[in-house]
Amino acid sequence: AQKVTQAQTEISVVEKEDVTLDCVYETRDTTYYLFWYKQPPSGELVFLIRRNSFDEQNEISGRYSWNFQKSTSSFNFTITASQVVDSAVYFCALSVPPDKLIFGTGTRLQVFP
Amino acid sequence: ETGVTQSPTHLIKTRGQQVTLRCSSQSGHNTVSWYQQALGQGPQFIFQYYREEENGRGNFPPRFSGLQFPNYSSELNVNALELDDSALYLCASSIKFSTGLGNEQFFGPGTRLTVL
Repeated sequence: AQKVTQAQTEISVVEKEDVTLDCVYETRDTTYYLFWYKQPPSGELVFLIRRNSFDEQNEISGRYSWNFQKSTSSFNFTITASQVVDSAVYFCALSVPPDKLIFGTGTRLQVFP
Repeated sequence: ETGVTQSPTHLIKTRGQQVTLRCSSQSGHNTVSWYQQALGQGPQFIFQYYREEENGRGNFPPRFSGLQFPNYSSELNVNALELDDSALYLCASSIKFSTGLGNEQFFGPGTRLTVL
């Protein structure tokens, strides 16, 4: 079965706090891709990162960082020093043939000033 | 570079009617995927079109159908609308050079369909 689980439904933090969004995936494929998307209230999905199954290097982009661990089938996303503009729903997704995305149920992040 | 556009923005229909949603893909993209996002849920894959042919389908009934045109724009048609079809319909375009995975999909703003 191919599945993405985001166990955290909603997270609330105060500005400048660090926050980690969890993502656990299931697939029997040896080659796959993982994505994170951000969905602000406007509804449009915004691409954040793509990672293939052969690249377990962690990645940092500004205040964002991602930790990919195949051993635990996890692809977690950390926002450092959160800001109000980070408030959105964040989706983790798995790319499987024929290049379709399987999304988790999303984590709603609310950052309060 | 023009991004992915969708029309209409909002739509209200009654049960049993038919609806057509439209998507213009990003310039140079040859693949369009459609997703349904119910309230509070993640998007669910409906189908994908690559070079004008259906290239995979999710768990949706045949009353969900689509088309891709030579300019790579696309339509999603839903017949015999049901109340549960109320959702945000998202179109995503990408460039696929082969049958490979992991192509970045660029999403449009979506069409909000309400079925009464």
